[in-house]
Amino acid sequence: DTAVSQTPKYLVTQMGNDKSIKCEQNLGHDTMYWYKQDSKKFLKIMFSYNNKELIINETVPNRFSPKSPDKAHLNLHINSLELGDSAVYFCASSHGLRTPNIQYFGAGTRLSVL
Amino acid sequence: AQSVTQLGSHVSVSEGALVLLRCNYSSSVPPYLFWYVQYPNQGLQLLLKYTSAATLVKGINGFEAEFKKSETSFHLTKPSAHMSDAAEYFCAVSGVRNTDKLIFGTGTRLQVFP
Repeated sequence: DTAVSQTPKYLVTQMGNDKSIKCEQNLGHDTMYWYKQDSKKFLKIMFSYNNKELIINETVPNRFSPKSPDKAHLNLHINSLELGDSAVYFCASSHGLRTPNIQYFGAGTRLSVL
Repeated sequence: AQSVTQLGSHVSVSEGALVLLRCNYSSSVPPYLFWYVQYPNQGLQLLLKYTSAATLVKGINGFEAEFKKSETSFHLTKPSAHMSDAAEYFCAVSGVRNTDKLIFGTGTRLQVFP
């Protein structure tokens, strides 16, 4: 059983389109994250949710909107896709009440905007 | 503010040789430090962590790292490289609160030659 699973694995789309990436974790964690990894492999946090509430919101364009229907899911919706959105997006989860806050990552979604 | 610097974006070693991946951190608060590994087309997997207990930390797959406060370093080592160690390695730092963000370095790609 995959602990943190993301779909789709690959996403190729045209500029201006709207797309969603889904993430689910079966670890019983209460905190979930979205990271963006650019072409130089730099990994940066975008959002974090704890028990369906937004707790970290980095400087991300408002075209990106996370949605957490329950604490096991955190989806990422992107409106009006731009070329610069091409990247690998990773979902992660952790047991937010514990320290250290060890995060478990999904396999990533490679988004290519043409 | 916290940051991590990984010296050397690429490291190449022969199978059986010592692996040394360098990481220096900057933190205004006592840090937690982590090494993650990313195999091709996979998510990040925790190798080991430093959480202010023993300064020499042992992780999975024969890796270890030593926290040196005087040098603000947390270098990753393995006595004898194996072909299966070829991957991207990320050093990361966070504060000790469970709400602190995980800040990643830019990664080091390890190549292992037969």
